[in-house]
Amino acid sequence: QLQLQESGPGLVKPSEALSLTCTVSGGSVSSSTYYWGWIRQPPGKGLEWIGSIDYSGYTYYNPSLKSRVTISVDTSKNQFSLKLSSVAAADTAVYYCARTTMDLSYYYYMDVWGKGTTVTVSS
Amino acid sequence: QSMLSQPPSASGTPGQSVAISCSGSSSSIGSNTVNWYQKVPGAAPKLLIYSNDQWPSGVPDRFSGSKSGTSASLAISGLQSEDEADYFCAAWDDSLNGWVFGGGTKLTVL
Repeated sequence: QLQLQESGPGLVKPSEALSLTCTVSGGSVSSSTYYWGWIRQPPGKGLEWIGSIDYSGYTYYNPSLKSRVTISVDTSKNQFSLKLSSVAAADTAVYYCARTTMDLSYYYYMDVWGKGTTVTVSS
Repeated sequence: QSMLSQPPSASGTPGQSVAISCSGSSSSIGSNTVNWYQKVPGAAPKLLIYSNDQWPSGVPDRFSGSKSGTSASLAISGLQSEDEADYFCAAWDDSLNGWVFGGGTKLTVL
C-alpha cells in the first residue's frame, strides 16, 4: 500500500529557504501514471496547492508562489522535494505531499496524502 | 484564500443524514470534477469520493457525492461517531491552472 512521508526542519528563519522531502514507499515516483505534489494549510486557513511534478520532472506551480517554489524528483531515492525560498511568517503551515492519479475519463484527483509536517517560520 | 466555499460546520446525531456543500466557479467545479476528503487530526487526509460520485476501494457507500453546475455536495447517511472529522472538497481550476480547495467543514456527531 502506497505511503507518503514528509520530512524536514520544523523551524525556518525568515528570509531563509524551506526544504521538505516526501519519501514514497509502496510505489514508485518513476511511474508515468502519476503526478506528485505539495499542498499546505496555514493555521486557521484553508488548503493551498503549491505545485506538482511528474516522473519526467515536468512541473507546474501555483502562480502566487511560482517565483519562490522549486519542486524536484529524485528517482534513485524514490523521493520528491519542495524548496520555498525567502520565507516569511505567512509561510507557516502544515505541509502535505500527495499523489495525483487520473480516472478513466482523464480527470485527475489526489488519492494518497502524507500526514503532513508542521513548519514554523520564526527567528 | 480558499477558492471553493464550504460551510465551516455541520452536525447531526447518530443515524441521521447530513449534507456538506461545496461551491465553486465555472472554471473550477463548472468545468471539472470534484473530490472529497476526510481529515482526522494526526492522520493523512483520506479520499472519500473522486470524480464527483465515485468511491475509492474501502470507502463505505454511506458516503456519496453529487455535482450540479458550479456546486457539489457530500452526503453522509447513517452518521456514526467515527464520522466526526473535517471534510474538504477539491477541484482543478482551469483559470488558475492548478488545484483549489474548500475551506473545510467540521462535522460534529452529537
